[in-house]
This record gives sequence, C-alpha cells and structure tokens, in this order.
Amino acid sequence: ETGVTQTPRHLVMGMTNKKSLKCEQHLGHNAMYWYKQSAKKPLELMFVYSLEERVENNSVPSRFSPECPNSSHLFLHLHTLQPEDSALYLCASSQDTPDTQYFGPGTRLTVL
Amino acid sequence: GESVGLHLPTLSVQEGDNSIINCAYSNSASDYFIWYKQESGKGPQFIIDIRSNMDKRQGQRVTVLLNKTVKHLSLQIAATQPGDSAVYFCAESPQGAQKLVFGQGTRLTINP
Repeated sequence: ETGVTQTPRHLVMGMTNKKSLKCEQHLGHNAMYWYKQSAKKPLELMFVYSLEERVENNSVPSRFSPECPNSSHLFLHLHTLQPEDSALYLCASSQDTPDTQYFGPGTRLTVL
Repeated sequence: GESVGLHLPTLSVQEGDNSIINCAYSNSASDYFIWYKQESGKGPQFIIDIRSNMDKRQGQRVTVLLNKTVKHLSLQIAATQPGDSAVYFCAESPQGAQKLVFGQGTRLTINP
C-alpha cells in the first residue's frame, strides 16, 4: 500500500447530515491534499495543506470544510451536501513540493 | 490556461504487445510531469515521473518520453500484462504552483 489511509471507504448520507472524512499518512510528509474524482472528469484539487496551513482553496463550496490538526492527519467535514457532490474523495500527501504525491484509496461518497 | 489532455479515452492492446499512452499539455512553464495508474477501487498509484530538463526516463517495463517542442508526454509500457489494466493519468506541475494538474485519463484494457 501507499502509506496513506482513508476512512470510511464508503459513505452514504442524506443532504441534511453532517459527516467527516479522515485521512492519515504514515510517510512523514509535510503536505496533504484533498481531491474530488467524478466520472468522466479529471481529478479536481480541493484543498492543499502545507506544514498544517491551508495554502490552496480551489473555489470549493463552504459545505466542505477541511481541517489539518497535524502533519499526519487531514479531515474533510461535510454538511448539507447536494447529490452532485457524490464522488470519490481522494487524499494525498507529499514532501516539500506537490510533485510526487501519494494517494489513499479514497472514500466513495453518495449523497441522497 | 492550464489543461492537460489525453489523446484517447480508451486503449485496447493484446497481451504481450507494447502500449503507448499519450498526453498533451498546454502550460509551457510546467517543469515536472508524472504518470499515475488507477485500478478499479483504488487510488492513483505513482508509476514514473520526469523533469523538463530530460526527454526520456526509463523504469521497470515503463518509459516516459517528453517532447517540450510540441508539449507532448507519452507513457510506454513494454510487454503489456493483464495486471496493467487500469486508467492511466498524466499530470503536470506548473512552476511555482503548489499543485498538480491532471488529465482526464486513458483506460487501458488487455486482450488475451
């Protein structure tokens, strides 16, 4: 495996629910990323954290709220999502630069 | 603007043949390129990368070629095996940007 774990692997939620996605990296990296992967679309970068500070927010709606409590953990808090938010959410990590990123297996999210 | 595209959405090859997956990029300021493989139900997995000061790099059964004149990147897989079946993504790293820009992906299928 890549050294990046994500939980849960699958999540089904209603539009009024609040849930959180968790990512943990065991590689000693100092940068972490959230991506959204929808069918027939390129990977969309959502957020970038470097040294636990957010350095990129790619025009993501406020119903997605990231949190990076330390360099090994990254969360994505979800609330009042829409059905079009259903997708595979991928976490990645890298060291110093965004060049070689290592991905987790993703969380398959379905919003009903 | 930034865009990374792939010439073909699908590629079908015979087992044992060589596979060539192509990618076009538009940002001439990009100085790093990377190929990922994504199998069903998994996150993208690093295959090989190349910096803009090189035009060829070889790995185990894989070769990446970079033609900066026409902004073209290719991935060659020698002696394609059933385990090579996956979606392959190219990505570029624009100089100074804290992110990778991904292409749409090519699905490689192997015929026995």
